[in-house]
Amino acid sequence: GQQVMQIPQYQHVQEGEDFTTYCNSSTTLSNIQWYKQRPGGHPVFLIQLVKSGEVKKQKRLTFQFGEAKKNSSLHITATQTTDVGTYFCAGRSSGTYKYIFGTGTRLKVLA
Amino acid sequence: DAGVTQSPTHLIKTRGQHVTLRCSPISGHKSVSWYQQVLGQGPQFIFQYYEKEERGRGNFPDRFSARQFPNYSSELNVNALLLGDSALYLCASSAYDTNYGYTFGSGTRLTVV
Repeated sequence: GQQVMQIPQYQHVQEGEDFTTYCNSSTTLSNIQWYKQRPGGHPVFLIQLVKSGEVKKQKRLTFQFGEAKKNSSLHITATQTTDVGTYFCAGRSSGTYKYIFGTGTRLKVLA
Repeated sequence: DAGVTQSPTHLIKTRGQHVTLRCSPISGHKSVSWYQQVLGQGPQFIFQYYEKEERGRGNFPDRFSARQFPNYSSELNVNALLLGDSALYLCASSAYDTNYGYTFGSGTRLTVV
């Protein structure tokens, strides 16, 4: 079945440093979504990517969808303590309705 | 506007018992999905309903069932509970069935003892 892996599993950064998490799917995706989950909270939708090679920005966050639509990345510039949490990608294959969540990357930001 | 509401927030059940979890989507949202999240892992897809029809089912045993009502609220039922069913159960709603982001509820924390 479809699998979605993320690396790294954990990342500790100093406040102000950059952070990147990578998402890789075993199958070609129709679209991919990114979510953030704070400790003790629930996933919160960040963005959706649909087109091959698509790049979207939200303030300090940059999201990319690979040309082959099998991988994606999230890059945070100049991390802040408010960026702490686990970042999940969730991919959907064509012909299905279900989103498969990745394994997540837990980000800790040291002040 | 109210977000996605789930009830109860916490629940303790004994092995072998049955449980019903409830979800009210955001007003106007016709799609409801259920996910199971074990501590330290990503959410695992259980079911998706759109306009009261089941659109997707994850790799969960038949002990798990769900339905969506005419007002788009939803119930997740789990029979013959096992210790391994202990998890956070998340409900998510979306305006449509596919290319829209999901809004998650705060979840129901189920503990099976």
